[in-house]
Amino acid sequence: KNQVEQSPQSLIILEGKNCTLQCNYTVSPFSNLRWYKQDTGRGPVSLTIMTFSENTKSNGRYTATLDADTKQSSLHITASQLSDSASYICVVSEGNAGKSTFGDGTTLTVKP
Amino acid sequence: NAGVTQTPKFQVLKTGQSMTLQCAQDMNHEYMSWYRQDPGMGLRLIHYSVGAGITDQGEVPNGYNVSRSTTEDFPLRLLSAAPSQTSVYFCASSYRGTSGTYEQYFGPGTRLTVT
Repeated sequence: KNQVEQSPQSLIILEGKNCTLQCNYTVSPFSNLRWYKQDTGRGPVSLTIMTFSENTKSNGRYTATLDADTKQSSLHITASQLSDSASYICVVSEGNAGKSTFGDGTTLTVKP
Repeated sequence: NAGVTQTPKFQVLKTGQSMTLQCAQDMNHEYMSWYRQDPGMGLRLIHYSVGAGITDQGEVPNGYNVSRSTTEDFPLRLLSAAPSQTSVYFCASSYRGTSGTYEQYFGPGTRLTVT
C-alpha cells in the first residue's frame, strides 16, 4: 500500500528560526511530490512541486528537496514568521491527478 | 478567476438525511476530486473525475455519489448521512502542466456535522 509519512507530527519554534520538515514515501511509480501549506480552516495551498529529475525547488523562504533514490523529501523554512504557523502536507502522486497519497501533515507553530 | 468554490461552508445534518455538496471551478481544469479531512489525519480521496462524464472511486467512496455532467461542476452527494461522515470536505481541481505534473487547487472546504 502506498504510504506517505511525515515527521515530526508537530513542531514549535521561535520566530526568526529555521526548521526542517521531513517526508518519507513508498508511492510507486513515482510521478511528483508536492508540499502544501494549510492554514487553519482553509484549503491547502501549493508551495512546491517536484518531479523525479528535480532534487531541489524553492519558493521564497521555503526550499524543498527530493531524494528519489531513498524516497525522502524535506521542506526547509528559513527565518520563520508568525504567518508560517500552519499545517504542512506532503503529497506524492503516481501520475494520475486522482491518484495522490497525502501525508498526515506537520503542524508548525511559530511563537514570538 | 474565482478558482475552486464550494458551498455551503458549514452544514449540520441529522442521521439519515441526504444532501449535496457543491463544487465549481472556472479554470477549465480536466481533473476534479473530492477529499475528506478528519482531525489529525491526512486528506483521503473519496471520488475523482478525469473529465466530463467520467468518474471513479477513490480510497473512501462508500456512502457518497458523484457526477460530472460539465467540466465546471462536480457535486458530491451524501445518500444517507451518518455520524461517521462528520468531517471537512475539500474539492480540488487540477491540470496537467507542460512538465507533465499536475498542479492542484483546493476549495475552501465544507465543514459537515452529522448528529
